[in-house]
Amino acid sequence: NAGVTQTPKFRVLKTGQSMTLLCAQDMNHEYMYWYRQDPGMGLRLIHYSVGEGTTAKGEVPDGYNVSRLKKQNFLLGLESAAPSQTSVYFCASRLSGASYEQYFGPGTRLTVT
Amino acid sequence: AQSVTQPDIHITVSEGASLELRCNYSYGATPYLFWYVQSPGQGLQLLLKYFSGDTLVQGIKGFEAEFKRSQSSFNLRKPSVHWSDAAEYFCAVGSYGNKLVFGAGTILRVKS
Repeated sequence: NAGVTQTPKFRVLKTGQSMTLLCAQDMNHEYMYWYRQDPGMGLRLIHYSVGEGTTAKGEVPDGYNVSRLKKQNFLLGLESAAPSQTSVYFCASRLSGASYEQYFGPGTRLTVT
Repeated sequence: AQSVTQPDIHITVSEGASLELRCNYSYGATPYLFWYVQSPGQGLQLLLKYFSGDTLVQGIKGFEAEFKRSQSSFNLRKPSVHWSDAAEYFCAVGSYGNKLVFGAGTILRVKS
């Protein structure tokens, strides 16, 4: 049981390039989330999904797109990377129901030059 | 809107000393509250959570937290800090729409 995994662990992009971050979970969780973490700002929600085929915007969605074609996977895309998107990206998942407890992946460190 | 405030950006304690990390939240109803810990280069690990019932909750690694509704606080405590506790700690509140709202974090340094 791997929990939540993220691919890749590190990436360097040039401004304007695109990329996709993959999040996978093997816990059969309904909900999945993408956050970015910047120093002194905690974790900010980018997009989330409450089930296969559904997505919703979080606090800081601009410049990102997401897809949830399979229940176990949640993809975060950057169509045209900007230096402001340099950050550490975390994926999380949780079961539906009353508990808000989220399980986190190890993170992806992205640098945009 | 829901919010979480962690007033201390950095805290330094001596190994063996007690620790208290502060967390204040803003939420209209009974909150779901969490403390997560992040070691350098790692993801977030859940330390403890409060949903209802006993206001003093026990977590992993010897941590505990007390929910005080009158003060809108959920402070994290540990009686005796170990060098391995050096990390960043995040308080979070469950929010409408199945989300968590995180505080900015407190970086704990442990000096020997």
